[in-house]
Amino acid sequence: AQSVTQPDIHITVSEGASLELRCNYSYGATPYLFWYVQSPGQGLQLLLKYFSGDTLVQGIKGFEAEFKRSQSSFNLRKPSVHWSDAAEYFCAVGAQDKLTFGGGTRVLVKP
Amino acid sequence: EPEVTQTPSHQVTQMGQEVILRCVPISNHLYFYWYRQILGQKVEFLVSFYNNEISEKSEIFDDQFSVERPDGSNFTLKIRSTKLEDSAMYFCASRGAGTNSNQPQHFGDGTRLSIL
Repeated sequence: AQSVTQPDIHITVSEGASLELRCNYSYGATPYLFWYVQSPGQGLQLLLKYFSGDTLVQGIKGFEAEFKRSQSSFNLRKPSVHWSDAAEYFCAVGAQDKLTFGGGTRVLVKP
Repeated sequence: EPEVTQTPSHQVTQMGQEVILRCVPISNHLYFYWYRQILGQKVEFLVSFYNNEISEKSEIFDDQFSVERPDGSNFTLKIRSTKLEDSAMYFCASRGAGTNSNQPQHFGDGTRLSIL
């Protein structure tokens, strides 16, 4: 069965600092991987996706993620966070048309 | 940019009553989904729908639940005889044509369902 683990429940980062959110997955074949962001009171917005090819994928809002098959990881990064990046971030793996989500990481941004 | 629209944003219902959650997927999308997120827990898959029938459902999606695409634009989730534990945020999603999951799912803002 597929599963996703986001080890960090909360992360606090200073504005302008770099951010890395961890995601580990378990899946029997080549996974389709996604990162979504949820701002308070809003839905899930797709940041980026990995289906195949280049293991470093670029997304919206300056985010990128790297697929590492050997580590079963798909970590999300941003070089310099903005106050508007404060939100909850969800990693998901998709197969047979069903997404399995991690528990989410809540990011707090300090001025 | 086209988006998935869900109504209402918040629904309060007495236990035992039926509730219908409504969704308008992105207009040229063919695959439709419902997920739920109980407060403090993960987002969980409920059901996927394609070509006017359920293509996959989770163990959560029992006889209490049903989905329907009553016309060319709406996609509804009906919960019969609601229970306290049905209280959650319910997300609708849709995606365009493409094999398996190589088109991303686009989510609505959710309906917060509160059962009293």
